[in-house]
Amino acid sequence: EAQVTQNPRYLITVTGKKLTVTCSQNMNHEYMSWYRQDPGLGLRQIYYSMNVEVTDKGDVPEGYKVSRKEKRNFPLILESPSPNQTSLYFCASSFSIGRDYEQYFGPGTRLTVT
Amino acid sequence: GNSVTQMEGPVTLSEEAFLTINCTYTATGYPSLFWYVQYPGEGLQLLLKATKADDKGSNKGFEATYRKETTSFHLEKGSVQVSDSAVYFCALCDSSYKLIFGSGTRLLVRP
Repeated sequence: EAQVTQNPRYLITVTGKKLTVTCSQNMNHEYMSWYRQDPGLGLRQIYYSMNVEVTDKGDVPEGYKVSRKEKRNFPLILESPSPNQTSLYFCASSFSIGRDYEQYFGPGTRLTVT
Repeated sequence: GNSVTQMEGPVTLSEEAFLTINCTYTATGYPSLFWYVQYPGEGLQLLLKATKADDKGSNKGFEATYRKETTSFHLEKGSVQVSDSAVYFCALCDSSYKLIFGSGTRLLVRP
């Protein structure tokens, strides 16, 4: 089954404790991205990657890091999480970058930073 | 910059009622327009899309028409079901291939 998977689905952590949210897709997609969803703000892009070893900042990159060492994986790293990073996070992928390419979303990771 | 504005929710309807969720956009050039749906506890799924002016996207009884003159892409369905309860996001993809989302509209359909 074609899908985007994220782990963990739920995470509660404390300020400053480094964490990684994994994202993996099995569709051989080139393009992957991370979004955060906050009430009243819709989805905002954090980082994106157009291919292996090619990443770039989205609209809200502060406090996050990413890497793309393999085509299928695109982990999101929070080196020193803070309470304002409490949010619902989505990973997405698409075959390529372009106006007509559908993005496929993972199920989401709900992160709470206390 | 480019942006998408959706009507605020929640929208509460009875089953079989007519649905309209308004969406307007601001963009340079000719963006593609999308409606995504998010069911409870799940990620977003593409519902329908339109890539040029006057195109109509449709899926699962939902429709939306790309209106360049009014910069709108309103979502409609003639008869909603309880299973349509979800959050609906309007989005555009601009010339930099970036997907820009509206804030989402929650729909609640009561039996």
